[in-house]
Amino acid sequence: AQTVTQSQPEMSVQEAETVTLSCTYDTSENNYYLFWYKQPPSRQMILVIRQEAYKQQNATENRFSVNFQKAAKSFSLKISDSQLGDTAMYFCAFMKPSRAPNTGNQFYFGTGTSLTVIP
Amino acid sequence: NAGVMQNPRHLVRRRGQEARLRCSPMKGHSHVYWYRQLPEEGLKFMVYLQKENIIDESGMPKERFSAEFPKEGPSILRIQQVVRGDSAAYFCASSPWGTGDQETQYFGPGTRLLVL
Repeated sequence: AQTVTQSQPEMSVQEAETVTLSCTYDTSENNYYLFWYKQPPSRQMILVIRQEAYKQQNATENRFSVNFQKAAKSFSLKISDSQLGDTAMYFCAFMKPSRAPNTGNQFYFGTGTSLTVIP
Repeated sequence: NAGVMQNPRHLVRRRGQEARLRCSPMKGHSHVYWYRQLPEEGLKFMVYLQKENIIDESGMPKERFSAEFPKEGPSILRIQQVVRGDSAAYFCASSPWGTGDQETQYFGPGTRLLVL
């Protein structure tokens, strides 16, 4: 079974500073995907960034980037130039692609890190 | 292109009543996933459906819970005879298939169910 661990329940960062959220996972799979989702107070789940395990290059999306260490099974999220709108719960997710006809892509979520950006 | 739509956003039920949660996937998406989020926890997979087919319901409780995704209309998650432990946020996600983005799931805003 796959597990996703986010060891930082809460974090805070000053506006305009950089913060890194950690995520580790456990799997025996070689082909998989990793995601970071953001859940602001509105509770909507918003995709932040995704990484394919077969790609060595770390994914980036504007101010968001990841540090993907496949051997260490680590997938941290770095937020640069933090903005007040970044205040949210951040969930790390592991996805095992479907192989069998009777299964879908299986997502496993961590318990989340609550990030507060301080003005 | 509208995102994933869920309604109602909030639902209050008394113990023993039925709850019906609806999800309309993004346009062009034919795959729907339902998740449950208990307070202070991450999302837990419940069921995966394609049009008129339940593909994987391994995460769904065996009793009282059912899901469907008819040929026409939204996907429905139905909880019969609700109990207090069913109080949670229920999220629906959709994904396309046969495209380069099929691995990504796009989430709706969720339905908060409160059982009194």
